[in-house]
Amino acid sequence: EVQLVQSGGGVVRPGGSLRLSCTVSGFTFDDYGMSWVRQAPGKGLEWVAGIYWDGGTTGYADSVKGRFTISRDNGKNSVYLQMNNLRAEDTAFYYCTRVWSVRFDNWFDPWGQGTLVTVSS
Amino acid sequence: EIVLTQSPDTLSLSPGERATLSCRASQTISSNFLAWYQQKPGQAPRLLIYGASTRATGVPDRFSGSGSGTDFTLTVSRLEPEDFAVYYCQQYDTSPVTFGQGTRVEIK
Repeated sequence: EVQLVQSGGGVVRPGGSLRLSCTVSGFTFDDYGMSWVRQAPGKGLEWVAGIYWDGGTTGYADSVKGRFTISRDNGKNSVYLQMNNLRAEDTAFYYCTRVWSVRFDNWFDPWGQGTLVTVSS
Repeated sequence: EIVLTQSPDTLSLSPGERATLSCRASQTISSNFLAWYQQKPGQAPRLLIYGASTRATGVPDRFSGSGSGTDFTLTVSRLEPEDFAVYYCQQYDTSPVTFGQGTRVEIK
């Protein structure tokens, strides 16, 4: 069974940092790109960051560029999202998702369970 | 970036009725690089359709996708109680990938 299990998240003050993790099982991790997608409470979906199968290429939404870093460890079947200089508008549920490509710009399936990041003083 | 506009925002229907959801792109989406997702409260999105018209594994055949260019449609032929949810379209033709704002299908 394909599974994406997320960890991390929580409450952080503006300007703070947080690291999200996503560990996968049930498929060959380094055959796929991975992405993070977020959803502010009661709002729609926003792609945040993506990484190629080998970690060699990454991409970011303009809203997080320069503050967030996506990385992966194919030996640990895990993808990470390091979030620095967090702002109130980064408050959202964050989902990791497998990309149906070795790149990060394709359709997403499946999705992790989501983790809530709250940025508040 | 490509902007996707979904309509209507909310669709009020009864079980057994047909649902027709629209997704319009701000520019042509080549090769039908469009997907549809379903999201229920408290859950992660679930892939329904990719390539504009190909059902994902395990998706019932009452769900169908169509369209090309800038206009795409998701149709649910006969709504079941479990189909009342929010639906999103997503384009993956041009980076960054983008999502529509969602259509909520609610019980009338």
